[in-house]
Amino acid sequence: GAGVSQSPSNKVTEKGKDVELRCDPISGHTALYWYRQSLGQGLEFLIYFQGNSAPDKSGLPSDRFSAERTGGSVSTLTIQRTQQEDSAVYLCASSAKSGTGREKLFFGSGTQLSVL
Amino acid sequence: AQSVTQPDIHITVSEGASLELRCNYSYGATPYLFWYVQSPGQGLQLLLKYFSGDTLVQGIKGFEAEFKRSQSSFHLRKPSVHWSDAAEYFCAVGAQGYSSASKIIFGSGTRLSIRP
Repeated sequence: GAGVSQSPSNKVTEKGKDVELRCDPISGHTALYWYRQSLGQGLEFLIYFQGNSAPDKSGLPSDRFSAERTGGSVSTLTIQRTQQEDSAVYLCASSAKSGTGREKLFFGSGTQLSVL
Repeated sequence: AQSVTQPDIHITVSEGASLELRCNYSYGATPYLFWYVQSPGQGLQLLLKYFSGDTLVQGIKGFEAEFKRSQSSFHLRKPSVHWSDAAEYFCAVGAQGYSSASKIIFGSGTRLSIRP
């Protein structure tokens, strides 16, 4: 597509439920990042993919969080047994280059997750 | 590992006044440095970047930033702000090298408000 697409744009869930957030990067972009944006926390790095593999998962806050990427394209971030502190905007970004530290990131508009 | 600090959470300046948003980084080698802006309804977009060479870099919308190795800083400046510059600004740092460990991380952001 023309830009990074994230769905859903808003998700309200009950505490303890599982949620799946989807990211569709720009076609041909090999690198894909997930960030979490909370008030006062800035953009917290979660995980990034080069192709289908995730060389760096260091930002995932707990084992309730997981992500996968298939076909070098779409990525899904899954949060199991959601907690209220998981409420945040989850941003996805993609770039044409991988693992160089020089990438220009193109961001999606995010998924606003609210855990009640 | 790299890190980035934006010490100012919120700054208010008058329209037409000059602006400086501070960013300090921590990294063992010369990092790649970025400024992104997040405007309501616009998502996150790249303002400017520094990889090497001239330490004063020009970006879009009249912004510039100067890399100062001795101070580990990459402050963002604009000579005269416009009301449309009100937004959240994020400094980011990327680690050098073609390494699976290379990733881009962000500071906590600085919210800019413009006083009419």
